[in-house]
Amino acid sequence: NAGVTQTPKFQVLKTGQSMTLQCAQDMNHNSMYWYRQDPGMGLRLIYYSASEGTTDKGEVPNGYNVSRLNKREFSLRLESAAPSQTSVYFCATRGLQPQHFGDGTRLSIL
Amino acid sequence: GQQVMQIPQYQHVQEGEDFTTYCNSSTTLSNIQWYKQRPGGHPVFLIQLVKSGEVKKQKRLTFQFGEAKKNSSLHITATQTTDVGTYFCAGGSNYQLIWGAGTKLIIKP
Repeated sequence: NAGVTQTPKFQVLKTGQSMTLQCAQDMNHNSMYWYRQDPGMGLRLIYYSASEGTTDKGEVPNGYNVSRLNKREFSLRLESAAPSQTSVYFCATRGLQPQHFGDGTRLSIL
Repeated sequence: GQQVMQIPQYQHVQEGEDFTTYCNSSTTLSNIQWYKQRPGGHPVFLIQLVKSGEVKKQKRLTFQFGEAKKNSSLHITATQTTDVGTYFCAGGSNYQLIWGAGTKLIIKP
């Protein structure tokens, strides 16, 4: 089925560890996004990629890096995880119509 | 920076009652989108409004975009258990969306 696939679905890290969240899409969409969602809040944009080869900061980029590996894949890296980065992370894509989301990665930092 | 405020945070209704959530932006929006998120799930796109004063309906759901393109509302008539979830508005430019905090619809037992 066409869609947005995120891996892993769950992860627990210790403070200071690094990790890469993976996102892959088979919708042939140009734009891809990484959001975080904290309890009782909306989604906050971390980084986005308007097209292959470009990335831009969103609302909350500090502590994160991204790579748009090709049109299909957009990864999010935490270089030195902090408890404040405990959240649910969503990857999304956008074609001509608004955004399509993956199922999310639930990340806990102890 | 640009902000989108959404109220109320929660709304408890009896099944069959109506539900409304409101969004207000600090700036004029090029468009506004509405999403629904079921518990434990991801946001799912419902609709996009683009024109000033636009009203769109999807069965029991009515979406409005204000004349000044700074506010919007979602109204659900005669709620059903399948309507449970959090409803988000999101407004902004071509690439970036600013999200409201969402309104959680809770059906009283």
